[in-house]
Amino acid sequence: GEDVEQSLFLSVREGDSSVINCTYTDSSSTYLYWYKQEPGAGLQLLTYIFSNMDMKQDQRLTVLLNKKDKHLSLRIADTQTGDSAIYFCAVVTGGGNKLTFGTGTQLKVEL
Amino acid sequence: DTEVTQTPKHLVMGMTNKKSLKCEQHMGHRAMYWYKQKAKKPPELMFVYSYEKLSINESVPSRFSPECPNSSLLNLHLHALQPEDSALYLCASSQEGLSYGYTFGSGTRLTVV
Repeated sequence: GEDVEQSLFLSVREGDSSVINCTYTDSSSTYLYWYKQEPGAGLQLLTYIFSNMDMKQDQRLTVLLNKKDKHLSLRIADTQTGDSAIYFCAVVTGGGNKLTFGTGTQLKVEL
Repeated sequence: DTEVTQTPKHLVMGMTNKKSLKCEQHMGHRAMYWYKQKAKKPPELMFVYSYEKLSINESVPSRFSPECPNSSLLNLHLHALQPEDSALYLCASSQEGLSYGYTFGSGTRLTVV
């Protein structure tokens, strides 16, 4: 099955940039997503990128995709305390109707 | 309406009880999903309904029984659960093709005692 890996923990200072990384194994993945989960809450879709794109920018968020290395990253500019959460990457697998989530990265923003 | 609504938000049940989780969306999405999430772990897919028909069952034990009465509603019937089934149960829906990802509900936090 698909393996989607993330580093477990990231700590940054408020105002700095955060970069969360994700690697996956299924080269046929078409859509790749980033979700945010705050404590006790469901998952919020932040952004997505289609596999024929290298980069997508959406306000403070920048997604980079290296399809050759199967590497996805999420950069959050000017990180704020409200950005503290767990971030999951997710890729489409199984012929298109199934999302496989990464292991999740807990982002802690310090003052 | 751009939300997926799940009820109840919290549920405590005994191992001999029967209960149901409910999920509702009015975005016209034709695919609906149940996921199970343990603390600080990624969500794990349980079931997928596409056009009100069960299309994926990820080898879930029969003590979990999904039902899709219509295109807006998804239920998960629970019976004879074990303490290890305690988790956050998330419902999601999507347009066909997944081009905009899933919309998730806020989940039902289930505790089995």
